[in-house]
Amino acid sequence: ELKVEQNPLFLSMQEGKNYTIYCNYSTTSDRLYWYRQDPGKSLESLFVLLSNGAVKQEGRLMASLDTKARLSTLHITAAVHDLSATYFCAVDGGNTGTASKLTFGTGTRLQVTL
Amino acid sequence: EAQVTQNPRYLITVTGKKLTVTCSQNMNHEYMSWYRQDPGLGLRQIYYSMNVEVTDKGDVPEGYKVSRKEKRNFPLILESPSPNQTSLYFCASTRQNGDTQYFGPGTRLTVL
Repeated sequence: ELKVEQNPLFLSMQEGKNYTIYCNYSTTSDRLYWYRQDPGKSLESLFVLLSNGAVKQEGRLMASLDTKARLSTLHITAAVHDLSATYFCAVDGGNTGTASKLTFGTGTRLQVTL
Repeated sequence: EAQVTQNPRYLITVTGKKLTVTCSQNMNHEYMSWYRQDPGLGLRQIYYSMNVEVTDKGDVPEGYKVSRKEKRNFPLILESPSPNQTSLYFCASTRQNGDTQYFGPGTRLTVL
């Protein structure tokens, strides 16, 4: 059974600081996704990582994937208040390569304070 | 506008009263899924569908049914809802090559 663990579960950080969210998973997969969820809202896709060593960046967020270590990181650079949200990683444990059978982490609630 | 729609958005019902939550996407996506979100548990997949008339169980399928008679629609059926099915439900769809999943707005269900 595929297990996906995120840490920390809650992160309070000051504006301007850097931090990293970690996503570990238990079985082999080279397809990992990051999502953002604002309170009371749906999930918004941030990154799709489809191979070992994949790195993607969008604004102050950068995601990477190490399939050998079964680890993905979401790095936040110079945080701003607008980044406050819950961040989920999800791993595709299916054989189809189509993001159809995702297992989600429990989420990291990020709070950026002034 | 490309989107996934769900109805209803909010529903309060009683134990045992059959209900259906509809999901529709206008992106011609092959794959569709249903998830439930509960505090502290993240999202858990209920069912997914790889094409019309092709469905498979996710991690928590008990108490739910689905059907995929048309490509755009993927309804979630609760034949006899129970209080432990009180949750926030999301429908999602994706292209066949799995670039990302697009999520609907969510349906908050309360079973009394």
